[in-house]
Amino acid sequence: DAKTTQPTSMDCAEGRAANLPCNHSTISGNEYVYWYRQIHSQGPQYIIHGLKNNETNEMASLIITEDRKSSTLILPHATLRDTAVYYCIVSGYSNYQLIWGAGTKLIIKP
Amino acid sequence: DTGVSQDPRHKITKRGQNVTFRCDPISEHNRLYWYRQTLGQGPEFLTYFQNEAQLEKSRLLSDRFSAERPKGSFSTLEIQRTEQGDSAMYLCASSPGRFGPFEQYFGPGTRLTVT
Repeated sequence: DAKTTQPTSMDCAEGRAANLPCNHSTISGNEYVYWYRQIHSQGPQYIIHGLKNNETNEMASLIITEDRKSSTLILPHATLRDTAVYYCIVSGYSNYQLIWGAGTKLIIKP
Repeated sequence: DTGVSQDPRHKITKRGQNVTFRCDPISEHNRLYWYRQTLGQGPEFLTYFQNEAQLEKSRLLSDRFSAERPKGSFSTLEIQRTEQGDSAMYLCASSPGRFGPFEQYFGPGTRLTVT
């Protein structure tokens, strides 16, 4: 079973920040938080990952709470092309596989 | 294009036939993964290779499924005696490094329809 909990769906207005929450209350100390997204009919795309510090790259920011039991993916200026299913995954450094849940379907509205 | 490629993109087959899918990973990536994805669900891990060694195959769905990566480059996934329940998207991904799942780069997938 997936070790994360995400809302089934969310809407966001184009140009606004999209904030996608994820709960991972059973995360252990050596497990990373990964975010991927999957645009319709395409393979998943890696977005970002982090351990305990906040992370930012050209696509998004990842905010991890101090107790590491939840995180938020932030798309700072959402566009229509960001409409996709977003997956939050936790996995240890020594793991090779990712356990995927059903993700959050994010719809960006004009 | 230097991304992960998969061939074919679509496959329609009759129940009982064998099918084989190919995956070409990013050239410098030594890890290769196969996943299956059904409608409305996230990808389901099947197997993975570190170079040519298949280090995990217990998640392959049945003994009708097998995978190879003979020279540590491209990989094939074969399904023998296909069943209608095998209809799904089959995804391949690759990643660098020896530890951790790291960021995985996915191909576009092969959509299998078994009639």
